[in-house]
Amino acid sequence: ETGVTQSPTHLIKTRGQQVTLRCSSQSGHNTVSWYQQALGQGPQFIFQYYREEENGRGNFPPRFSGLQFPNYSSELNVNALELDDSALYLCASSSGGSTLNTEAFFGQGTRLTVV
Amino acid sequence: AQSVSQHNHHVILSEAASLELGCNYSYGGTVNLFWYVQYPGQHLQLLLKYFSGDPLVKGIKGFEAEFIKSKFSFNLRKPSVQWSDTAEYFCAVTFNNAGNMLTFGGGTRLMVKP
Repeated sequence: ETGVTQSPTHLIKTRGQQVTLRCSSQSGHNTVSWYQQALGQGPQFIFQYYREEENGRGNFPPRFSGLQFPNYSSELNVNALELDDSALYLCASSSGGSTLNTEAFFGQGTRLTVV
Repeated sequence: AQSVSQHNHHVILSEAASLELGCNYSYGGTVNLFWYVQYPGQHLQLLLKYFSGDPLVKGIKGFEAEFIKSKFSFNLRKPSVQWSDTAEYFCAVTFNNAGNMLTFGGGTRLMVKP
């Protein structure tokens, strides 16, 4: 167990809808990163939140957005869902923002299916 | 562009066989290197990491990896695999011009036959 919890574990949405995924970081960690893992591929970095601010972003469109709360938990929001958004969404918890030489701890992920 | 590649997508071994999974990256600067394992239905777990120092890194469950800077490689090895090593293995790299954002390889699915 990593202490990183994600909810829900599975979700089915219709194309065009909006979805919110949630992540509670490990105790003592102030940084949350989100990754998308499509079937048969490695995870891809979406963005990172540090002290409630976006601290880095991968190659994802603006309809992917996020929030971080004062307790360092985080949400990932995806608007106007597309079929290609179907994937496992992983949350990773760490400390120190974009500081190098840190280790990330992953949650079990939310499996999103868009139909 | 910076990238990470894993050459073996699927590997099938018998128990007690030796394992080596390849990982290469493209970047000329400083990197941190990781191997993660994902057992079916479980979260990504860190096997081992390299930040600096001895390029031969030992991790959990008998795994080790060697960083060869001149070859931009970080191959994962285990002398004798067990059925319980059946899982998907991911190499990941952070590049020093991109904070601690992890760039993952495509993964290698390992099946160990009893």
